[in-house]
Amino acid sequence: RKEVEQDPGPFNVPEGATVAFNCTYSNSASQSFFWYRQDCRKEPKLLMSVYSSGNEDGRFTAQLNRASQYISLLIRDSKLSDSATYLCGGNTGFQKLVFGTGTRLLVSP
Amino acid sequence: DAGVIQSPRHEVTEMGQEVTLRCKPISGHNSLFWYRQTMMRGLELLIYFNNNVPIDDSGMPEDRFSAKMPNASFSTLKIQPSEPRDSAVYFCASGSSGGIYNEQFFGPGTRLTVL
Repeated sequence: RKEVEQDPGPFNVPEGATVAFNCTYSNSASQSFFWYRQDCRKEPKLLMSVYSSGNEDGRFTAQLNRASQYISLLIRDSKLSDSATYLCGGNTGFQKLVFGTGTRLLVSP
Repeated sequence: DAGVIQSPRHEVTEMGQEVTLRCKPISGHNSLFWYRQTMMRGLELLIYFNNNVPIDDSGMPEDRFSAKMPNASFSTLKIQPSEPRDSAVYFCASGSSGGIYNEQFFGPGTRLTVL
């Protein structure tokens, strides 16, 4: 089993929709988690760090469920510009992050 | 503020040649990470340094790969000799240690093609 797993998608949603992705992790000792956004042929960019049970930043909400070992990312009121691949990362030791393979989101007009 | 700087941005070389990738981390960051990304394997950590010291190189695929960090503002990843299967995008990331929420910030990457 991979340490961090994501549904590769793609998730096809219309503008204005709400969409949620899940990411499961196998290392119960993991302390911190992150969502990164990656556009085609670009570097991953930090979208949100997931603290404690969760946190919110504008249209984006990240939640952590330690009991079930997953984190989620909720995007409300989707924009065309939200189309990208979303990478989930979890730490597996001192600063070491393991990433999922990413979930692709396509927002259409 | 300047982000992580990587060079070259693109590299095309022939099998057997030596390849050197360079990275300048964000000023003030004390941790540096080298990743490789391919369609098949996703984003993989190769090696990381903390305070210029290699901490974990378990992701380095084989002895053909080596990395150095001679000072806090510079690191290199070297492949010698290169092979076609090394073709990938290589990212450098930096961050600050201390606390449990250690965010990493990625450079633009080096797209390597080995013919």
